[in-house]
Amino acid sequence: VQLEESGGGVVHPGRSLRLSCEASGFTFKSYGMQWVRQTAAKGLEWVAVISYDGKNRLLADFAEGRFTISRDNSEDTLYLQMNNLKSDDTGIYYCAKSSGAVTYADMWRGDSSLCLDVWGQGTTVIVSS
Amino acid sequence: IVLTQSPGTLALSPGETATLSCRASQTVSSNLLAWLQQRPGQAPRLLIHGASSRATDISDRFRGSGSGTDFTLTISRVEPEDVAVYYCHQYGTSPSTFGQGTKLEIK
Repeated sequence: VQLEESGGGVVHPGRSLRLSCEASGFTFKSYGMQWVRQTAAKGLEWVAVISYDGKNRLLADFAEGRFTISRDNSEDTLYLQMNNLKSDDTGIYYCAKSSGAVTYADMWRGDSSLCLDVWGQGTTVIVSS
Repeated sequence: IVLTQSPGTLALSPGETATLSCRASQTVSSNLLAWLQQRPGQAPRLLIHGASSRATDISDRFRGSGSGTDFTLTISRVEPEDVAVYYCHQYGTSPSTFGQGTKLEIK
């Protein structure tokens, strides 16, 4: 089971980046997927979750209106589109596999399927003028 | 839910037992709490889920316990390879949250 992120880089405030996460070694379309970031200020911070079929998604408050999580089950790839980036968004972004499918109800109330059982190696995002 | 970990840093000699604490600001639903290990320069790795179940291929030197708001990770017979930051993660209430970490050093 492997997850490989890409797409990080150095960008100016207000610009955009799209992160990708290629999955292998498991049936991607059967599992919910998540993004977690690690920043100097706040440590590990949950960013977003998407259900196994891509129909449901939930974002952290700081990401609402700026970030979009999506997936392509035909390509076994997870995405995070980040717009209007701020300096506070600087950090390492990890994609992580959920331990279950993650339904709409699961992501709103909390559930065992939200356990993060496999993590990628991370991609670094630096937002600086 | 805010997770507070203690101590901030733990320095032990090889062979000693490490006891790491994670306290939640409110009850963790269904004890859905995990422990993660992050070695220097690496991504986090799942050690324990559901408060006390070891993840696949994790040594039995790692034991999770606790319920409600108080959880513990015990590492028996610590080894140099255990040098890492250990995080607790609750996923029983949305949004999931992480503790600030405990750094384990080997003397």
